Amino acid sequence: AQSVTQLGSHVSVSEGALVLLRCNYSSSVPPYLFWYVQYPNQGLQLLLKYTTGATLVKGINGFEAEFKKSETSFHLTKPSAHMSDAAEYFCAVSDHSGYALNFGKGTSLLVTP
Amino acid sequence: GAGVSQSPSNKVTEKGKDVELRCDPISGHTALYWYRQSLGQGLEFLIYFQGNSAPDKSGLPSDRFSAERTGGSVSTLTIQRTQQEDSAVYLCASSLSSGKNNEQFFGPGTRLTVL
Repeated sequence: AQSVTQLGSHVSVSEGALVLLRCNYSSSVPPYLFWYVQYPNQGLQLLLKYTTGATLVKGINGFEAEFKKSETSFHLTKPSAHMSDAAEYFCAVSDHSGYALNFGKGTSLLVTP
Repeated sequence: GAGVSQSPSNKVTEKGKDVELRCDPISGHTALYWYRQSLGQGLEFLIYFQGNSAPDKSGLPSDRFSAERTGGSVSTLTIQRTQQEDSAVYLCASSLSSGKNNEQFFGPGTRLTVL
């Protein structure tokens, strides 16, 4: 079964500091991996996705993630945090069925001045 | 074009009552998905539609849950005889078609509270 684990339910960074949100996956097939962001009282918005090809994926709002098969990881990074980045971040892997997404528990990012 | 819309945004009901949650997908999207977001369980997949058909209903938590989609557009998730453990945010998503590579666009959700 395909699943993801997000390490750290809460992460706090200072404005301007590096953001690193961790995600490890388990998959019996080549995974399709996603990062979504959820702002308060809003739905989920896709930040970026990895399907095939280049392992370093760039997304919106300056975020990027690198697929590392040897480490079964897909960590999300941003060089410099903004206050507006404060939100809940979810890593997801496409289910074996090809349509459902299996989400991690989420990481709440707090950005302090 | 508008995104995915859901109604109502909030629903408070009494235990034992039936509720209907509505989802309007993005126009032209043939695939539609329901997820549930709760504190204890995180985000769980419930059901998926390709057109009006639901090939996989295995994610529905119990037989009190049902969903339908008509005209390849609007979908309704119905919960009968609601229980307190049904309290959660119900999210709907749609995509151009089904398949791993298709981005799912999410609505804002319906927050259901069962008293």
